[in-house]
Parts: sequence; structure tokens; C-alpha cells
Amino acid sequence: GAVVSQHPSRVICKSGTSVKIECRSLDFQATTMFWYRQFPKQSLMLMATSNEGSKATYEQGVEKDKFLINHASLTLSTLTVTSAHPEDSSFYICSARSGSGGSYEQYFGPGTRLTVT
Amino acid sequence: AQTVTQSQPEMSVQEAETVTLSCTYDTSENNYYLFWYKQPPSRQMILVIRQEAYKQQNATENRFSVNFQKAAKSFSLKISDSQLGDTAMYFCAFMAYQGGSEKLVFGKGTKLTVNP
Repeated sequence: GAVVSQHPSRVICKSGTSVKIECRSLDFQATTMFWYRQFPKQSLMLMATSNEGSKATYEQGVEKDKFLINHASLTLSTLTVTSAHPEDSSFYICSARSGSGGSYEQYFGPGTRLTVT
Repeated sequence: AQTVTQSQPEMSVQEAETVTLSCTYDTSENNYYLFWYKQPPSRQMILVIRQEAYKQQNATENRFSVNFQKAAKSFSLKISDSQLGDTAMYFCAFMAYQGGSEKLVFGKGTKLTVNP
């Protein structure tokens, strides 16, 4: 149980375009989802926390207008990178938490590699 | 703010031997959780083991065990009978209990290589 999927696994886009990444909890309802960014050989950096039906909370230094997060349902959150630039190229990982029964564990998706040319 | 420090960027161990990865953290919170995650070359984050701070007993999961020293704010991971499949990045992570807005804070990671 507790499977989280991400789509696409890899995406290449041209500079100036937007790209959407989906994160789905497949077998549980995720009240909270998290988006992370990971540069090569570095740790995960939390970008934002989203709760179903409310606006995402962004970490300091993360541009909310550039990284649009929508958590429209209990099983789906999306991250849209708007007007992408080469420096946005990175590995993006989502995680989901059910929140039921006081559960605190986060389940991670397999990640999406974004390359902006 | 909480911080997590992993002082060993890289480590290596021979297959079947034991290795210990270090982690220290800094917090003023009393209720929190600690985790070790494994990230193999596939990049999928895998939970290895977790520890609730209120539990004095060290967590154990098969070949993986921790040495949790709350007063020293230390949380090391011991891998026994190392296997080639244990080769991965290992991240220590901290989560303070905040009534629903819990966030994970990760260390910089330790790259473990298990040699045949």
C-alpha cells in the first residue's frame, strides 16, 4: 500500500514554456502533499506544502508565481513550472501524507526529471 | 529552525560487513520523529527506519538499526551484513510534531558503496 506516482518521469521543454507535473496517491487519500527539488548530488529541498482545497504554503525563496501548485483533490496535486528557464532543470519529487489516524509518514513518488533547453 | 548534519559525505564497506552512518540534529522541540531514507540510483526515496523521540528503545528493522541518543541529539544508522543492494545515498531526516503541518528536514546525505 501507500503508493505515490508521478507523471511524467522525464520531460524536456523549451525555455519560456510551461510544464506540468502530476503527483497522485494511488491507494490512499492524501490530505497533505509536499513538493521537493533535488539538484545533482544534493539533498532534497522542500519547495512547498499543499493541503487539499487550500492554497499551498511556499518555503522562503521559492517563487509562488513561477511554481504553481494545485491540490484539487485528495489524490492529486500538480506542480506547474511556468516560463521555464534552464536553471529550473532539476529533479522534482513529491510526497504525500494521509493524515488519518495521526499518521505522519510521507510516501514519496519516483520523481520527475525536468530538462529545460 | 531545525538542522540535520551528516558529517560523512561518502563511505564504503565490504559486503557482509557492518557500517555505521552518523547523523546529528539540532532542535528545541521535544516531540519529534527521526528517519533514515535510502535513495538508490533509481532516485526513489525509500524509508529505511524511523524513530519516535519519546521512545527510548532504539528502532530495528531487520539488518538496520539505530542508535538514538536524545540528549546528545544523535541518530546513527547501523547496517549489518551489508549487501550490494544497500549501495545508495542515505539521508537522515527530522520532523517536529506540529499538529498537522509537519515538514521533513533532510541532511545532506551520505553516499554508501558496498564493495563485493
